[in-house]
Amino acid sequence: AQSVSQHNHHVILSEAASLELGCNYSYGGTVNLFWYVQYPGQHLQLLLKYFSGDPLVKGIKGFEAEFIKSKFSFNLRKPSVQWSDTAEYFCAVNAGYGGSQGNLIFGKGTKLSVKP
Amino acid sequence: EAGVAQSPRYKIIEKRQSVAFWCNPISGHATLYWYQQILGQGPKLLIQFQNNGVVDDSQLPKDRFSAERLKGVDSTLKIQPAKLEDSAVYLCASSTPREANTIYFGEGSWLTVV
Repeated sequence: AQSVSQHNHHVILSEAASLELGCNYSYGGTVNLFWYVQYPGQHLQLLLKYFSGDPLVKGIKGFEAEFIKSKFSFNLRKPSVQWSDTAEYFCAVNAGYGGSQGNLIFGKGTKLSVKP
Repeated sequence: EAGVAQSPRYKIIEKRQSVAFWCNPISGHATLYWYQQILGQGPKLLIQFQNNGVVDDSQLPKDRFSAERLKGVDSTLKIQPAKLEDSAVYLCASSTPREANTIYFGEGSWLTVV
């Protein structure tokens, strides 16, 4: 069965610090990978996604993620965080070829708190 | 473009009572999903519809949960009777092949069972 592991439950950073959130998945076949963000009181929003091609994916708001197939990882990065990045971040995976096939498997999420 | 609409946003009920949640997906999105998100966990798929047909309901507790999408647009998720462990956020989402099936989520319906 597919599973997603997010290494950090809660990360606290100061503004301008660099961010890296870890995500590992278990699935032997072709996968689609996603990072979603949930700002306080808001719905889940797609940050970025990887289906195929360049393993370095750029998303909204300066976020990027790198797919490393050999490590089954899809870590999220941002060079310099802002207070407005305070949110919960979810990594998700599903099996498919070139597109989502539904049934996203989510990690437990990482809460990011950015101190001004 | 309007997003995924859900109602009610918040509901408190006693155990053994029933509750229903409504969802209106993004216009034109044929695929509709219901997810359950328990506090401290990531969302878990309950059921997936393609138009008005069920694609995957393997994780839906069918003894108490039911969902329908009769006309292939709006959907209703019902819980009867509710248990304490059903306290969660119920997320509706939708997608379309035109956008590589990227899944868009609604704001969720928060259920507390007391």
